[in-house]
Amino acid sequence: KAGVTQTPRYLIKTRGQQVTLSCSPISGHRSVSWYQQTPGQGLQFLFEYFSETQRNKGNFPGRFSGRQFSNSRSEMNVSTLELGDSALYLCASSLSRPGGVYEQYFGPGTRLTVT
Amino acid sequence: GQQVMQIPQYQHVQEGEDFTTYCNSSTTLSNIQWYKQRPGGHPVFLIQLVKSGEVKKQKRLTFQFGEAKKNSSLHITATQTTDVGTYFCADLLRGTASKLTFGTGTRLQVTL
Repeated sequence: KAGVTQTPRYLIKTRGQQVTLSCSPISGHRSVSWYQQTPGQGLQFLFEYFSETQRNKGNFPGRFSGRQFSNSRSEMNVSTLELGDSALYLCASSLSRPGGVYEQYFGPGTRLTVT
Repeated sequence: GQQVMQIPQYQHVQEGEDFTTYCNSSTTLSNIQWYKQRPGGHPVFLIQLVKSGEVKKQKRLTFQFGEAKKNSSLHITATQTTDVGTYFCADLLRGTASKLTFGTGTRLQVTL
């Protein structure tokens, strides 16, 4: 099976602009989560989508939003970009396995640089 | 909110030495997961522990969940250069929704 794919891999934007990142989960996975990774704050949970519904949200401002489509593909949007939004944005798709193991498969990430 | 800290932040070992990273939470952990992230890569799932006092082994890696479910550890025996990377613990909260709260990570450097 193909892994989680994310596009684009690299992006440079200017403060005040907006950006949309895309994630295609592993076939059959219905849960998609997004994380932000920075050297200062580490890996932080943004939100989780399941069957086109946002099930959980982290502590990020409303400028960060997302959605999931009927084919489980997901997008996240950041509006009015700030310098501090520069980060690696990781998408993960999940599948519950027997025994309650809930393994998250991460994509390669989108490296966003805000100038 | 919950804080999950790992110590040490960084460790440099010679190949063949052992390595341990400790994960401590400010609140009781639900389920603990461990991930490895190679330099320039993305986190890769290693294991999930659920029960208090649980110990699991994967070849040279030993994972332990504390009795009070507030800490966990990962021990690598006889490190190899392929073990280089950052090791993260994460608290998995399951219910109607899922959320991973990652630890601060421990970066491991292994030299010959």
